[in-house]
Amino acid sequence: KQEVTQIPAALSVPEGENLVLNCSFTDSAIYNLQWFRQDPGKGLTSLLLIQSSQREQTSGRLNASLDKSSGRSTLYIAASQPGDSATYLCAVDYGNNRLAFGKGNQVVVIP
Amino acid sequence: DAGVIQSPRHEVTEMGQEVTLRCKPISGHDYLFWYRQTMMRGLELLIYFNNNVPIDDSGMPEDRFSAKMPNASFSTLKIQPSEPRDSAVYFCASRDGFSGNTIYFGEGSWLTVV
Repeated sequence: KQEVTQIPAALSVPEGENLVLNCSFTDSAIYNLQWFRQDPGKGLTSLLLIQSSQREQTSGRLNASLDKSSGRSTLYIAASQPGDSATYLCAVDYGNNRLAFGKGNQVVVIP
Repeated sequence: DAGVIQSPRHEVTEMGQEVTLRCKPISGHDYLFWYRQTMMRGLELLIYFNNNVPIDDSGMPEDRFSAKMPNASFSTLKIQPSEPRDSAVYFCASRDGFSGNTIYFGEGSWLTVV
């Protein structure tokens, strides 16, 4: 079974600290990996997509890395802000249109 | 574009009633997905369509669930009869298969079956 794990389920950090969120997956034969953000009562917004041939992607304060051999991806958010408070989900695409989602990291940035 | 549009946003219904959830994908997108999100199981793919044709419905929990896509701009997910364990958030998402792999989600339909 293609499982995606995100630990911890919830974390709090003081404003200004860098956030590091981890995603691990059991099957390394991935097509791509996406990081999403979900605000309470809202849908998912795609933040970054990393193709299987890439090692990382960057967008503003966000950087996502991918290590297929170890089955890991990491999302870095630099200089966190209260507006970064949300749940962050990792999703692995194995090329069959069936994204395997982790259950997310619920992040609170404390002002 | 207005994004993926879902309705209703919230629905409370009694057990045994029929529930119909609606979705309008982003114009031009050829893939449409229905997901269900619960605290226990997270996000699960129920079914997806390509060019209005159902491709994979292996995630549909049971015969009480059905989905249709009569045209490129509209899809429905129906539950008949509904049960309390169907209470969840149902998301519709769409993707342009030609220009990338990013999936765009609607804001979800929050279903409570009492």
